[in-house]
Amino acid sequence: RKEVEQDPGPFNVPEGATVAFNCTYSNSASQSFFWYRQDCRKEPKLLMSVYSSGNEDGRFTAQLNRASQYISLLIRDSKLSDSATYLCVVKRYSTLTFGKGTMLLVSP
Amino acid sequence: SQTIHQWPATLVQPVGSPLSLECTVEGTSNPNLYWYRQAAGRGLQLLFYSVGIGQISSEVPQNLSASRPQDRQFILSSKKLLLSDSGFYLCAWSRPGTAEKLFFGSGTQLSVL
Repeated sequence: RKEVEQDPGPFNVPEGATVAFNCTYSNSASQSFFWYRQDCRKEPKLLMSVYSSGNEDGRFTAQLNRASQYISLLIRDSKLSDSATYLCVVKRYSTLTFGKGTMLLVSP
Repeated sequence: SQTIHQWPATLVQPVGSPLSLECTVEGTSNPNLYWYRQAAGRGLQLLFYSVGIGQISSEVPQNLSASRPQDRQFILSSKKLLLSDSGFYLCAWSRPGTAEKLFFGSGTQLSVL
């Protein structure tokens, strides 16, 4: 089983839609969790950390379920500029492990 | 403010040729430094990381090596490139003692032909 697994997509949604991505991780000793965003042929950038209690940043909500070992990202009121690949990231000790990413395409 | 520089942006090299990619960080001291590779259709793979000068940890045995000759300089090298070395190479840094937030360079697209 891969350490971090994501549905590669693409998820095609219209502007204004709500979309959710899930991610599962295999190592129960994982310590911290993040979502990164990567535009085509660009470097990844941190979108948000994921906390056990769930956290929100504007239109973005992240959730963590340690018992089931999955992480989710919810995007409300999608914008064209949200089109990108969203990487689920898990930290264990001093290194981060990245999922392959889920591609989101938001259309007018 | 901190900045990370990585060059070149693109590189086309023949099989069997050497490789040297350089990354430098400004505005911080003793950063953790990382080299990642993203092959087509695959996720980011950690190649090397360093917590200090001369300290290199290799995550995946391969045709590549890394060196950290100065505090804020990280170099990725190969003596003889393979076709399978093609990919998008990303340097990154994080604050000392943590990998909570990585700041990536703009990447090098390497094509080995």
